[in-house]
Amino acid sequence: GAGVSQSPSNKVTEKGKDVELRCDPISGHTALYWYRQSLGQGLEFLIYFQGNSAPDKSGLPSDRFSAERTGGSVSTLTIQRTQQEDSAVYLCASSLHPFGEQYFGPGTRLTVT
Amino acid sequence: AQKVTQAQTEISVVEKEDVTLDCVYETRDTTYYLFWYKQPPSGELVFLIRRNSFDEQNEISGRYSWNFQKSTSSFNFTITASQVVDSAVYFCALVRGAGNMLTFGGGTRLMVKP
Repeated sequence: GAGVSQSPSNKVTEKGKDVELRCDPISGHTALYWYRQSLGQGLEFLIYFQGNSAPDKSGLPSDRFSAERTGGSVSTLTIQRTQQEDSAVYLCASSLHPFGEQYFGPGTRLTVT
Repeated sequence: AQKVTQAQTEISVVEKEDVTLDCVYETRDTTYYLFWYKQPPSGELVFLIRRNSFDEQNEISGRYSWNFQKSTSSFNFTITASQVVDSAVYFCALVRGAGNMLTFGGGTRLMVKP
């Protein structure tokens, strides 16, 4: 079946602009996660959605970052007033149930100039 | 807080050699899950294995094997008879029983030369 998909695959934006990154999880997966991967910080957790529960936002680095998940499926990660330090690969993952294996999408490479 | 350490940042071997990637973790939880992921040059993270904290049995899958030892808080990964296609960055990760996000180690870059 189809895996996790993300769009766009690449995004170049100017400092100060807002960006939206999209994630389509595997159908039927109740859990959805956002991570980012950068050279200096490695792989970091950002936010986690499980079913209809309130999301775990404990990994968001600042209030410029937000995410939503509509209808328990598609998720959008929004970064407002982007900064150069936001440049990274943003990865989305989904799992069938809590504690299950997480399957990752190909990522969105964000470059802030 | 939990932590995963992969002390080997880069390993280089010649094809057909066996290689072990080390992973040491820290957590205060009694229930947790350990994972290994592979990130080939294409960039996409590929799931390899999940192990829960109550199952210390070693696992073998083809040329891959995993050794989980709670006494030393280690979850090491061995590739037998390595191949060039095994070249990738390998990540060890931990999920706490009370939370579901992955805490990753820094990764080990494995280069298998022909």
